[in-house]
Amino acid sequence: DTEVTQTPKHLVMGMTNKKSLKCEQHMGHRAMYWYKQKAKKPPELMFVYSYEKLSINESVPSRFSPECPNSSLLNLHLHALQPEDSALYLCASSPPGGGERTQYFGPGTRLLVL
Amino acid sequence: AQSVTQLDSQVPVFEEAPVELRCNYSSSVSVYLFWYVQYPNQGLQLLLKYLSGSTLVKGINGFEAEFNKSQTSFHLRKPSVHISDTAEYFCAVILSGAGSYQLTFGKGTKLSVIP
Repeated sequence: DTEVTQTPKHLVMGMTNKKSLKCEQHMGHRAMYWYKQKAKKPPELMFVYSYEKLSINESVPSRFSPECPNSSLLNLHLHALQPEDSALYLCASSPPGGGERTQYFGPGTRLLVL
Repeated sequence: AQSVTQLDSQVPVFEEAPVELRCNYSSSVSVYLFWYVQYPNQGLQLLLKYLSGSTLVKGINGFEAEFNKSQTSFHLRKPSVHISDTAEYFCAVILSGAGSYQLTFGKGTKLSVIP
């Protein structure tokens, strides 16, 4: 099973709202990722968690706040977003260990900021 | 730093015809290579990967790719496409060293299958 689940599928929020995106995997993967994808572009890496510790933050604005409560869950907390933050947000995970690097992606959350 | 070039942004092809989507990469160290497919309004699905071993890699949905180290290429092929193959295809690389997490994507190739 190589399934990564994401909720919600769609989200509409105002610029003053606070919302959260959720990602879950039960494959025993110890690295989890958040990506942002704009239309007709490849995904852009936002954050990487390795063994529940934040290991990469690609200079993402503080209105995006990641959280990894345990090895299966990854959240992305959203606050005071801008319309340009509207995009598809993808979660991914990859196995632990040195040899395997394959990232498995979830279906994404399509976010619209009004 | 590594980079990925997908030479064609759009590839139209008739149904049941063969197709090749081209991918070249640049890296001073060894890499792992991947092809992902993204159907409209969906996430990325892994098509196939090259980590080591045989340079001809077979994936899902009848796709295959060949790793060519001398030409730094990893082209994706399918002998006969279906309408359902219409999608965006991304080539990606990652450094093979321990602790490497950053997947570098190409800009994508939109495959349009014409009935």
